[in-house]
Amino acid sequence: RKEVEQDPGPFNVPEGATVAFNCTYSNSASQSFFWYRQDCRKEPKLLMSVYSSGNEDGRFTAQLNRASQYISLLIRDSKLSDSATYLCVVNDPGGYQKVTFGIGTKLQVIP
Amino acid sequence: DARVTQTPRDKVTEMGQEVTMRCQPILGHNTVFWYRQTMMQGLELLAYFRNRAPLDDSGMPKDRFSAEMPDATLATLKIQPSEPRDSAVYFCASGLRGGKSSYNEQFFGPGTRLTVL
Repeated sequence: RKEVEQDPGPFNVPEGATVAFNCTYSNSASQSFFWYRQDCRKEPKLLMSVYSSGNEDGRFTAQLNRASQYISLLIRDSKLSDSATYLCVVNDPGGYQKVTFGIGTKLQVIP
Repeated sequence: DARVTQTPRDKVTEMGQEVTMRCQPILGHNTVFWYRQTMMQGLELLAYFRNRAPLDDSGMPKDRFSAEMPDATLATLKIQPSEPRDSAVYFCASGLRGGKSSYNEQFFGPGTRLTVL
């Protein structure tokens, strides 16, 4: 079983739609969780951290479910500019600042 | 606007040749990571350093790959000899624990796209 699992997609959604991605992780001792965004042929960039209480940044909401060991990302009112690959990232409790990236979920927002 | 730089951006080489990739982390960052990204495997950690000391290189094929930090402003990743299966995008990232940014946030360079023929 992979340490961090994501559905690679692609998710094709119309503009204005709401879309949600889930990600599961295997190490129950993990403490830090993130979503990164990667545009085509570009480097990954931090989108948002995921806190135990959940957090929201504009149209983006991230949530953590420790009991089921998954994190989610919800995007409301999708824009064409949201088209990208979204990477789920989980820290490795045994490694200083070491994290594991999921394969990424590709989102394509269609006009 | 501080950013991680990597050279070269693209590299095409023939099997058996040595490849050297360079990375300049963000000034003041104390952790440097090397990743490899392929369509099939996604982002895989090859090696990482803290304060220039190697912490973990278990993700790296030891017989052909080597990673070093000769000084705080330069990290290198070498492949010798290169093989077609090494074709991938190699990213360098840097971070600073306890800095203003999120704990564990990593700042990525633009990557080196390597093609081994």
